[in-house]
Amino acid sequence: GNSVTQMEGPVTLSEEAFLTINCTYTATGYPSLFWYVQYPGEGLQLLLKATKADDKGSNKGFEATYRKETTSFHLEKGSVQVSDSAVYFCALSGNSGAGSYQLTFGKGTKLSVIP
Amino acid sequence: GAGVSQSPSNKVTEKGKDVELRCDPISGHTALYWYRQSLGQGLEFLIYFQGNSAPDKSGLPSDRFSAERTGGSVSTLTIQRTQQEDSAVYLCASTQSRGRTGELFFGEGSRLTVL
Repeated sequence: GNSVTQMEGPVTLSEEAFLTINCTYTATGYPSLFWYVQYPGEGLQLLLKATKADDKGSNKGFEATYRKETTSFHLEKGSVQVSDSAVYFCALSGNSGAGSYQLTFGKGTKLSVIP
Repeated sequence: GAGVSQSPSNKVTEKGKDVELRCDPISGHTALYWYRQSLGQGLEFLIYFQGNSAPDKSGLPSDRFSAERTGGSVSTLTIQRTQQEDSAVYLCASTQSRGRTGELFFGEGSRLTVL
């Protein structure tokens, strides 16, 4: 079955530091890949996505590239801010073309950015 | 409101009692999901509703769990004879599509504590 593995947290960084959160996946077919973010006291929201190999998703200064050869979708940001403190979830959606509809999530990585 | 609404936001119950959790999805969204978020365990898929199709119940952990969606809109997740291991945050999400795009809109969740 499908699975997502992401680096364990928590991760603590100083403001303006470089961020990488690793994510690898196992899936049949050609999944779409996502990063969701959960800010304190809020619901999960989509941060970025990529639907095919070599696509790069980007939003709010975050980027992730769909690497089929390494089955990875690592999240990066060049300069984090205190407001980026949140829990980040990597996820995949089966893309079999037969109406796949279920997101499989990683366990989440808590990021704390200190001034 | 414009977002996914869940109630109650917090529920404390005694072991053995039944609980009902409610989800009001975004108007017009045909797909509705329930997930469970346990500490350190990420998000666990429970059940999926798509229009008038039979729901996908493959994620329900036991027959004590059930869910229904009335009129293609509001959904209720029922847990009978609650156990302490049922303590978690129960998340509801909705989307317009069959989920292929992966952009789910989540509510803030219902935190269940079973004493």
